[in-house]
Amino acid sequence: DAGVIQSPRHEVTEMGQEVTLRCKPISGHNSLFWYRQTMMRGLELLIYFNNNVPIDDSGMPEDRFSAKMPNASFSTLKIQPSEPRDSAVYFCASSRGQGASEQYFGPGTRLTVT
Amino acid sequence: RKEVEQDPGPFNVPEGATVAFNCTYSNSASQSFFWYRQDCRKEPKLLMSVYSSGNEDGRFTAQLNRASQYISLLIRDSKLSDSATYLCVVNNPTSGTYKYIFGTGTRLKVLA
Repeated sequence: DAGVIQSPRHEVTEMGQEVTLRCKPISGHNSLFWYRQTMMRGLELLIYFNNNVPIDDSGMPEDRFSAKMPNASFSTLKIQPSEPRDSAVYFCASSRGQGASEQYFGPGTRLTVT
Repeated sequence: RKEVEQDPGPFNVPEGATVAFNCTYSNSASQSFFWYRQDCRKEPKLLMSVYSSGNEDGRFTAQLNRASQYISLLIRDSKLSDSATYLCVVNNPTSGTYKYIFGTGTRLKVLA
């Protein structure tokens, strides 16, 4: 079975540019999560969707960040404009429900903003 | 107080040793609990869920103590391949839904 798919795996961009990260959850999973991981702050939940609807976006750092889930098999996380402090690994995860279900992570996108 | 706390380590243990990690959580209403493993520059991977009665999977045993609000992970007969960071995860009910809270992880190094 295919796991969570993320693209690109690596992204290097200049400050001020727009960055779009993509995620395809595991088929049949109805919850999708976006996380950011840095050495300093660990793993932080940015936003999560249930049945394509954003449920909790309290972790989105500021208006420069936006996320969409137009259908059950695709989500994007956009940063516009990007800043050097956005450099991190961004993970997407999915789960079968929003209760006690386990989450399964994609391989992540390593973002470097110069 | 952090919602989920773990000793960052590192725990350096010889091959074959038994090692245990604890993780404390602050929300008494927490519903479900997990241990994840994360290798360097990789994504977190589910190691095991933690059930109220405790559960075992091969060399790994997880326990939940709701009264003292902690979960534990015991690894017996450590292998070199067990070297990784172990993340504790707690699922808290909030505003009609749930929120997964990750600990910052405990680093384990198994030495030959």
